[in-house]
Amino acid sequence: NAGVTQTPKFQVLKTGQSMTLQCAQDMNHEYMSWYRQDPGMGLRLIHYSVGAGITDQGEVPNGYNVSRSTTEDFPLRLLSAAPSQTSVYFCVSSYSPRTSGGNTQYFGPGTRLTVL
Amino acid sequence: AQSVTQLGSHVSVSEGALVLLRCNYSSSVPPYLFWYVQYPNQGLQLLLKYTSAATLVKGINGFEAEFKKSETSFHLTKPSAHMSDAAEYFCAVSGLMDSSYKLIFGSGTRLLVRP
Repeated sequence: NAGVTQTPKFQVLKTGQSMTLQCAQDMNHEYMSWYRQDPGMGLRLIHYSVGAGITDQGEVPNGYNVSRSTTEDFPLRLLSAAPSQTSVYFCVSSYSPRTSGGNTQYFGPGTRLTVL
Repeated sequence: AQSVTQLGSHVSVSEGALVLLRCNYSSSVPPYLFWYVQYPNQGLQLLLKYTSAATLVKGINGFEAEFKKSETSFHLTKPSAHMSDAAEYFCAVSGLMDSSYKLIFGSGTRLLVRP
């Protein structure tokens, strides 16, 4: 298993540009989430999904969109990038919490995004 | 609302000394608790987790943490620090069952190990 994969690893955008951060997992996990990591603030939940076709907002959703058309993929879209979105983004997946081991989160390697 | 407080953004210890990283949580019910480690330019790796079984939880790399409900704490310890333990450590809390995938993180503690 490749686990949770994210592309790209690094990205530089100009203010106002759009882009999609890709995330895929091959563990048949139902739950997927996006977090951003900023210095001194830990990680904060952006959006999450409890299954294909189901998404919801986390703590800091503004400026980001998500969709979940398949179990494997959970892309994060920045519609109009702003310098405040400069961060490291992590995709996370897990089984349903009602299954054994369902509260174990699997982290992707991260995407480092800079918005100029 | 749940929250996590990690006391000390930086902790420095000598190699071989005790490691103690503090974490306090705020929750109306005992939650699930986690410690993660992050090495430079890498993702987060689970060290250990508390899910309402034994209050003393043993994790990887010789780390352990004790859940103390009366103190709302979940401090991380290791008897003897190794140079390879230098990293950033995050405490996190989640709700139970259907909320268990929503993690709330502390701000992190960077552990420095002096030779």
